[in-house]
Amino acid sequence: DAEITQSPRHKITETGRQVTLACHQTWNHNNMFWYRQDLGHGLRLIHYSYGVQDTNKGEVSDGYSVSRSNTEDLPLTLESAASSQTSVYFCASSESLASGRETQYFGPGTRLLVL
Amino acid sequence: AQSVTQLDSHVSVSEGTPVLLRCNYSSSYSPSLFWYVQHPNKGLQLLLKYTSAATLVKGINGFEAEFKKSETSFHLTKPSAHMSDAAEYFCVVSDSYRSNTGKLIFGQGTTLQVKP
Repeated sequence: DAEITQSPRHKITETGRQVTLACHQTWNHNNMFWYRQDLGHGLRLIHYSYGVQDTNKGEVSDGYSVSRSNTEDLPLTLESAASSQTSVYFCASSESLASGRETQYFGPGTRLLVL
Repeated sequence: AQSVTQLDSHVSVSEGTPVLLRCNYSSSYSPSLFWYVQHPNKGLQLLLKYTSAATLVKGINGFEAEFKKSETSFHLTKPSAHMSDAAEYFCVVSDSYRSNTGKLIFGQGTTLQVKP
């Protein structure tokens, strides 16, 4: 069955270190998204991509970057981890529909703790 | 700009009684609306979605929601709560119809507690 996976599921790192969170989907979806989830804020969009070599900033993109070299993967990199980036990170993917009314499917999440 | 407000941060019901989780949205266009559920330490699962077809949308696990344009609401209901329904529920609006971007705007979530 098609799925979307994230790794690692849990990560502890120190401030200033570079961290990369992986996201892999086997649906062949063009659209991929990264969110962070924090208490009192719901999910907020970090970065998104509509296809290979396409990346766009979301509402909370500072300190994060993504790259899209193939359809299946959208890794999220924290260039220099900060304690404020302690959060749960979710990756999602969706088809590209002419109507624009796609459904996003979410991965299981990565819990990141920055000490 | 699109936005969504979940009117209750916490709802507590007894098992077997009805569930009502309230959601209001703001959109300049005909929106796509979703309800997602998140069980503890799990990812998000789609319960149901509205995309301008029937205004009463049926989802999984006995949940349904009614799109009311005049009230800008999309409340989630279930006739009889089950213990397994205890989770966090998110009301979500998409701006995809306007800009074909597919970006989602999340409400802050409602925690549903089900008491035996």
